[in-house]
Amino acid sequence: SQQGEEDPQALSIQEGENATMNCSYKTSINNLQWYRQNSGRGLVHLILIRSNEREKHSGRLRVTLDTSKKSSSLLITASRAADTASYFCATDDSGNTPLVFGKGTRLSVIA
Amino acid sequence: EPEVTQTPSHQVTQMGQEVILRCVPISNHLYFYWYRQILGQKVEFLVSFYNNEISEKSEIFDDQFSVERPDGSNFTLKIRSTKLEDSAMYFCASSEPVRSGNTIYFGEGSWLTVV
Repeated sequence: SQQGEEDPQALSIQEGENATMNCSYKTSINNLQWYRQNSGRGLVHLILIRSNEREKHSGRLRVTLDTSKKSSSLLITASRAADTASYFCATDDSGNTPLVFGKGTRLSVIA
Repeated sequence: EPEVTQTPSHQVTQMGQEVILRCVPISNHLYFYWYRQILGQKVEFLVSFYNNEISEKSEIFDDQFSVERPDGSNFTLKIRSTKLEDSAMYFCASSEPVRSGNTIYFGEGSWLTVV
């Protein structure tokens, strides 16, 4: 089954710096989504990028998708301490098939 | 902004007891899901539900688990006889039909501790 795998597993940066997280998957996809999870909390949807899209922006977030390399990246610009969380990519292969999550990247933004 | 709500937020139960976790999906959504996350591990799919029936389920979703939409708003997950390894955060989620790109919205989760 397809599976998103994030890289790195953990990332620690200073406030104001940019954070880049990567996700790789194994098979063809319909959509790829990024979620944030604060410790012990629910999953917050950040952004969805479709397989025919290459880049998408939402506020300080920039997502790219390279279907030829089966990879995606999430860039958070001008990071803040409040961005500290785990970030997951999740993929689906068609329609409303279940999302498959990766293990996540733990981002720590130090003030 | 509409949100998925879950109750209880935390439940402690004795091994072997039945547990029902409740969810109110976003009102105009048609697809409903349960996922779980064992502490420190990744989020795992359990089951999806559409048109009053299970549309897909994972290997985790064995005969101990069941889902129900008892009325027009609630969506429940029942664990018939809990085991220690059922301890996890259980997330309910919902989404609109596929033409919306299948953005799935999650609730805050129900922490289940089996002792």
